[in-house]
Amino acid sequence: GIQVEQSPPDLILQEGANSTLRCNFSDSVNNLQWFHQNPWGQLINLFYIPSGTKQNGRLSATTVATERYSLLYISSSQTTDSGVYFCAGLSGYSTLTFGKGTMLLVSP
Amino acid sequence: AAGVIQSPRHLIKEKRETATLKCYPIPRHDTVYWYQQGPGQDPQFLISFYEKMQSDKGSIPDRFSAQQFSDYHSELNMSSLELGDSALYFCASSLSQESTDTQYFGPGTRLTVL
Repeated sequence: GIQVEQSPPDLILQEGANSTLRCNFSDSVNNLQWFHQNPWGQLINLFYIPSGTKQNGRLSATTVATERYSLLYISSSQTTDSGVYFCAGLSGYSTLTFGKGTMLLVSP
Repeated sequence: AAGVIQSPRHLIKEKRETATLKCYPIPRHDTVYWYQQGPGQDPQFLISFYEKMQSDKGSIPDRFSAQQFSDYHSELNMSSLELGDSALYFCASSLSQESTDTQYFGPGTRLTVL
């Protein structure tokens, strides 16, 4: 399977700030997903984005497949954005591999 | 929209007991995946099924077994439970076994082994 590296590992923001989370992967992917794990442990699908750019409200994501990275942008962060953000990739016929996650804390 | 359903949501067992976790995929999804997430860890792939046949296998202990039934729901059976089996267990489903299909995750079952 592929290797997935996320940065930064931890991030603390004031409410209203913007942030960028990064995901690097070791091989070309045909599946890349971003998730938010809330404090109750639920994994929420944010984006399916093996390439290109998508936006959903205050969140957007961009994957540059040729350079093997993906970025998740959070604008005007809110306390409810706190939690762990995972990216997960799949190459060829392998299984979905998760990165170690970015733990985000948004303070009021 | 319907989501993946997992039951139970919480489970407490003693060491050496058995546990059965159930997963009901999104309607018309024929592929089911199981993942294990230990405390402070990222989810790790255990096993997957497509059309009731095992399609891939990850780091699943021999004490665990799983199957997918004719209605596409899946069960993960765990025997001789150990303290280290305490984790969140996620089930995910996708429309098919194509690697390009989005995997949708259920809310998870939190297993605590005492």
